[in-house]
Amino acid sequence: ETGVTQSPTHLIKTRGQQVTLRCSSQSGHNTVSWYQQALGQGPQFIFQYYREEENGRGNFPPRFSGLQFPNYSSELNVNALELDDSALYLCASSPGTSVFPSETQYFGPGTRLLVL
Amino acid sequence: EDQVTQSPEALRLQEGESSSLNCSYTVSGLRGLFWYRQDPGKGPEFLFTLYSAGEEKEKERLKATLTKKESFLHITAPKPEDSATYLCAVQARGGTSYGKLTFGQGTILTVHP
Repeated sequence: ETGVTQSPTHLIKTRGQQVTLRCSSQSGHNTVSWYQQALGQGPQFIFQYYREEENGRGNFPPRFSGLQFPNYSSELNVNALELDDSALYLCASSPGTSVFPSETQYFGPGTRLLVL
Repeated sequence: EDQVTQSPEALRLQEGESSSLNCSYTVSGLRGLFWYRQDPGKGPEFLFTLYSAGEEKEKERLKATLTKKESFLHITAPKPEDSATYLCAVQARGGTSYGKLTFGQGTILTVHP
């Protein structure tokens, strides 16, 4: 069984640029959540997708957007990058049902983004 | 707003010296409390899910317990390979941010040989 994978592993961008991060969910999982983890902090919830629909959103501005595809893989897009966007971006997948679309979330290795 | 506070921030133990990590939480109706282990530069690794007060779960040297206000992660006779950051998170019932995990800042555990 393949776990959650993310690409790229590391990325360097400059302020004002746009970035797309990718995530493949664990086999059999239809729910994907994205988190931002600053150095020395716990992960912060960005949003969750269930069956291609945004299913919940944290306190992040609209320049953070996402997609989920029919195969349940997902993208996180960040526009107009700011220095404070430098962080580890984590994707987590969970099996989900129509009643409980979350269940236990299993994390990928993350993408380390540095904004200069 | 849901809140999670972990203590201590850092814990240094000798190999074999048992101890406990604390996770205090406030949430508008607990759906689940989760413990994860995170190694430097890697994603969190799932350890346990607890759903109701009084529940306990064990895995090797780790045991997690839950009350209505806090959870403990007990580490019995730790080994150097148990060194990591341990994260606690809660998930609330309902609300607009469905599926959201609210994390604490973590406890950095170092086990010396």
